[in-house]
Amino acid sequence: EAGVVQSPRYKIIEKKQPVAFWCNPISGHNTLYWYLQNLGQGPELLIRYENEEAVDDSQLPKDRFSAERLKGVDSTLKIQPAELGDSAVYLCASSLDRDHEQYFGPGTRLTVT
Amino acid sequence: AQSVTQPDIHITVSEGASLELRCNYSYGATPYLFWYVQSPGQGLQLLLKYFSGDTLVQGIKGFEAEFKRSQSSFNLRKPSVHWSDAAEYFCAVGINFGNEKLTFGTGTRLTIIP
Repeated sequence: EAGVVQSPRYKIIEKKQPVAFWCNPISGHNTLYWYLQNLGQGPELLIRYENEEAVDDSQLPKDRFSAERLKGVDSTLKIQPAELGDSAVYLCASSLDRDHEQYFGPGTRLTVT
Repeated sequence: AQSVTQPDIHITVSEGASLELRCNYSYGATPYLFWYVQSPGQGLQLLLKYFSGDTLVQGIKGFEAEFKRSQSSFNLRKPSVHWSDAAEYFCAVGINFGNEKLTFGTGTRLTIIP
């Protein structure tokens, strides 16, 4: 069974540019999470989806971050415009539903110059 | 709000030696506790979890953890480490049904020396 797939794995952009990350969860997993992991820190939840509905986006900086999960499968996280402080690893995770284990993807390492 | 403290940023252990990674949590109700491992360039992998019942939990790769309510701790142990155990270890606490919202500690980096 394929795990959580994320792309790209690495991205380098200049500040003020837009960037997008893509996540394909494990087949059949209804719940999808986006986490931000700063260097030397644990992951922090940005947004959680139940199917196509964002049920917890309280930690998402909505002035520059947006996310979508059309059709309740794949998800895209976007930053526009990117700032230097956005340099981090963006992790996607999925679970069967909110009562089951989260499976994490390898992450996208973003560097903003 | 819940929080997790991992007091050791970096631990070095000789191969074959025993290991204990510390984790303390703060949460007003019964916590749901997890240990994850992250190898370089990889996502997080669940080692074990505690929801209720037996306070000594067995996980994958020979790891175990013990929940001690009186000490608000959930320390991870392994009797004999292997070089492949070198990684970053994260303790996390969940609320509600456990997986809805995870709060992670800052992690402990484990180095194994020959």
